[in-house]
Amino acid sequence: AQTVTQSQPEMSVQEAETVTLSCTYDTSENNYYLFWYKQPPSRQMILVIRQEAYKQQNATENRFSVNFQKAAKSFSLKISDSQLGDTAMYFCAFMKPSNSKLTFGKGITLSVRP
Amino acid sequence: DSGVTQTPKHLITATGQRVTLRCSPRSGDLSVYWYQQSLDQGLQFLIQYYNGEERAKGNILERFSAQQFPDLHSELNLSSLELGDSALYFCASSPGTFRSDGYTFGSGTRLTVV
Repeated sequence: AQTVTQSQPEMSVQEAETVTLSCTYDTSENNYYLFWYKQPPSRQMILVIRQEAYKQQNATENRFSVNFQKAAKSFSLKISDSQLGDTAMYFCAFMKPSNSKLTFGKGITLSVRP
Repeated sequence: DSGVTQTPKHLITATGQRVTLRCSPRSGDLSVYWYQQSLDQGLQFLIQYYNGEERAKGNILERFSAQQFPDLHSELNLSSLELGDSALYFCASSPGTFRSDGYTFGSGTRLTVV
């Protein structure tokens, strides 16, 4: 079974600064997908970024980028130029193609200070 | 608006009761997924339906059941409710049985059991 670990329960960052959220996972699969989801106070689950395990290039979406280390089974999210609207819970998640289930980490609460 | 509609948004009920949560997937999506988000268990996959048939099962209690109707909306039935069933229940949808770029989530139903 796959497990996803987010060891930091909460973090705080000053507006306009950069913050990195950590995630590690455990799997015996070689082909899989990793995701970061954002859950703002509105409760909506919003996809932030995704990474395909067979791609070595790290995914980037505007201010969001990942550092994917397959051998270390690490998948961290970097948020650049943090904005107040980035305040939310962030979940790391794993999916394998043969099973459409998303396995989530416990999440991390990120607060962006003005 | 994600296109996935969940009703009701909030539900308060007593222990021992039965409730039904409803989900309408995004137009054109054939798969519906149910997730439970609680403080102690985090986000957990419950069950998936694809075009009316159960496709995958996760940590769903025997007191819980789900179905997907011909019009593709889905209902999650929770019976003999306990205090520990209080949680946020999410529905998500995707076009097929697997979607590598993640699903589209609804805004959830907050269930409070008193």
